[in-house]
Amino acid sequence: QSALTQPASVSGSPGQSITISCTGTNNDIGNYNLVSWYQQHPGKAPKLMIYEVTKRPSGVSNRFSGSKSGNTASLIFSGLQAEDEADYYCCSYAGGSWVFGGGTKLTVL
Amino acid sequence: EVQVVESGGGLVQPGGSLRLSCAASGFSFRSYDVTWVRQAPGKGLEWLSFLSKNGVYTNYADSLKGRFTISRDTAQNSVYLQMNSLRAEDTAIYYCARTQWYYFDYWGPGTLVTVSS
Repeated sequence: QSALTQPASVSGSPGQSITISCTGTNNDIGNYNLVSWYQQHPGKAPKLMIYEVTKRPSGVSNRFSGSKSGNTASLIFSGLQAEDEADYYCCSYAGGSWVFGGGTKLTVL
Repeated sequence: EVQVVESGGGLVQPGGSLRLSCAASGFSFRSYDVTWVRQAPGKGLEWLSFLSKNGVYTNYADSLKGRFTISRDTAQNSVYLQMNSLRAEDTAIYYCARTQWYYFDYWGPGTLVTVSS
C-alpha cells in the first residue's frame, strides 16, 4: 500500500479559509467513504478530527469539515485560528488495512 | 474516562525482540477493535496492525513481513505487540489506538522504541 499524497505544507492567516488535499487510488479513498483526519501537535498523540469523510466527533470545532471527490479527500478549515497550527494526516480504509497520508504541516501566519 | 496507555518501549539491539503493551481504561477491548500505528522520528504515521474485538481477526502491514504479532489478554484488558528481528528502521514512537469501526478515536501517548547497537 502506497501512502496517500498530501501537500507537505500549507499556510494561512488567522480568519482565512484553507483546504488540505489527500489523494489516493481506487483501492482506498476512491472505493470507500472511510476517510479520517488526524491533528497532531508537536510531541503529542494524534487526535481524531473527521471520520467517515464528513463527520465530526463530539468536541471538535465546526470550523473543521471534510469532503471527498473521486480519489481525493479534503480537510477544510473555515476561519483559521492560531491553535490550528499542527500537522494533519489523512487516513483511508483500504480493504482490511489502512493507509495514511504523508502529513501536512499547517502554519498560521 | 476512556484512556489507552502504551508501555514496554526502550532501547534494543538490532535483531532483538520487544513486547509492547497497551492498557485500556474506561472501556473493554472485548467491545472495540484496536490498532497499532508508529511514527519514525520526524516522519509520518504508519499503520501496522489490527485486532478485532472478538479476538479472531488480525491483519498486518506488508512491510512488517511477519516479524510482528498482535495479541490480547481480556482479563488484563490489554493488547500486545510482539516485535521480533528488530531493525534500525523500526525505531519509532508506537501508538495504540481504540478503533471504532474504521477510524481511530482514542490514542495513547505512545512508547518510544529505539533499535541501535
